[in-house]
Formats: sequence, C-alpha cells, structure tokens
Amino acid sequence: AQSVAQPEDQVNVAEGNPLTVKCTYSVSGNPYLFWYVQYPNRGLQFLLKYITGDNLVKGSYGFEAEFNKSQTSFHLKKPSALVSDSALYFCAVSPLSGNTPLVFGKGTRLSVIA
Amino acid sequence: EPEVTQTPSHQVTQMGQEVILRCVPISNHLYFYWYRQILGQKVEFLVSFYNNEISEKSEIFDDQFSVERPDGSNFTLKIRSTKLEDSAMYFCASSEVGRYQETQYFGPGTRLLVL
Repeated sequence: AQSVAQPEDQVNVAEGNPLTVKCTYSVSGNPYLFWYVQYPNRGLQFLLKYITGDNLVKGSYGFEAEFNKSQTSFHLKKPSALVSDSALYFCAVSPLSGNTPLVFGKGTRLSVIA
Repeated sequence: EPEVTQTPSHQVTQMGQEVILRCVPISNHLYFYWYRQILGQKVEFLVSFYNNEISEKSEIFDDQFSVERPDGSNFTLKIRSTKLEDSAMYFCASSEVGRYQETQYFGPGTRLLVL
C-alpha cells in the first residue's frame, strides 16, 4: 500500500533563511507527488507536483521540490522564507495515472520567525 | 481564479441526524472527490465521482454515506445517521479528467461537529 511520511511535525526557520520541509513516500510503480499548503481557515492550496521529467519542480510562491527516486523523497524547499509562508504543509502521493485518490502525509507546520 | 466552494463552513448536529454537505466544483471539472480530516490526523480519501457515478471509494465510505450531483453545479455528501466519530473537516475537491494525474483543487472545507 502507498504511504507518505512527513517526519517533522514542526519546522521553525528565521525569515530570509532557506527552508526545507521533508517528505518520503512508499508506492509501487511510478509515483505522482504533490505538495499542498493550508493556511488557517482555508482549504488545501496546490503548490506543485511531480509527474515525470525534470527532478526539480518549481511551483507557486517561490517554492520548489526535488524528486529523488533513490531516496524516495520529495522535499519542499524555498531559498528565502517569508513570515507569510507560515502554514501547514501536506505532501501527497498517487500511485497511478488518471484521476486516482491522493494519499496524504500528516502535515508539517512551518513557522517562519521575523 | 476559479475556486471550489463549500457550504456550510461549520455544521453542528446531534448524533443520529442526517447532514448534507454541499460543494460547487470548478465549472469545467468533471471529476469530484470528498476527503475528510479528523482533528490531528491525516487527510483521508472518502469517494470520487465521475460521469454521475462513484468511481472509487474507501473503506470509510460505508452505507451511511452517499454522494449526488443533483444539478449541473452542486456536488453533495450526505451522512444518513451521524455518529460522534464523523466529526471532522470535510473537503471537496475537483479535477479535470486526464490520462496523467490531474491536479485536484480543494475547497475550504466544512467543519462538522457531531454531539
């Protein structure tokens, strides 16, 4: 069965510093990987996805993620964090192509301190 | 930018009562989903819906749950007889139909509290 692990419940980073939010996955076959962000009282907002091709994926708000097949990881990164990036971040995987359900990690709370 | 909308934002109900959660997917999307998130836990898939029928459902989606697209814009989730453990945030999502994994766009959620 497919699964996603986000090993950190909380990540704290100073404004202006680079940030990384970690995600590892387990899936049979080719993984399709996603990052979503949830701000307070808002739904899950799509940030970026990896389907195929270049391992470095660029998304919204300056975020990027690197697909690493050998380490089964898809870490979310940003070169310079903003206070407004503080939110709950979810990694998700789908094992198949087409319109299949997403399997989510438990989420990582990012806190960017001014 | 088109968004998925959900109503109500909050719902409080008594155990055993029926509730209907409503969603308006993005207008050109044809695939619809419901997920839920119990407080402090992961977001879990409930059901997907396409071409007026359930495409896939999880173990959570038992006979107490049903989905419907009553008209050209709404997509609803009905819980027939609510239990305490149904208390959760319920998210609706929609996507285009595609050969590859299409992005699912989520609504803001309905927080359901069963007393």
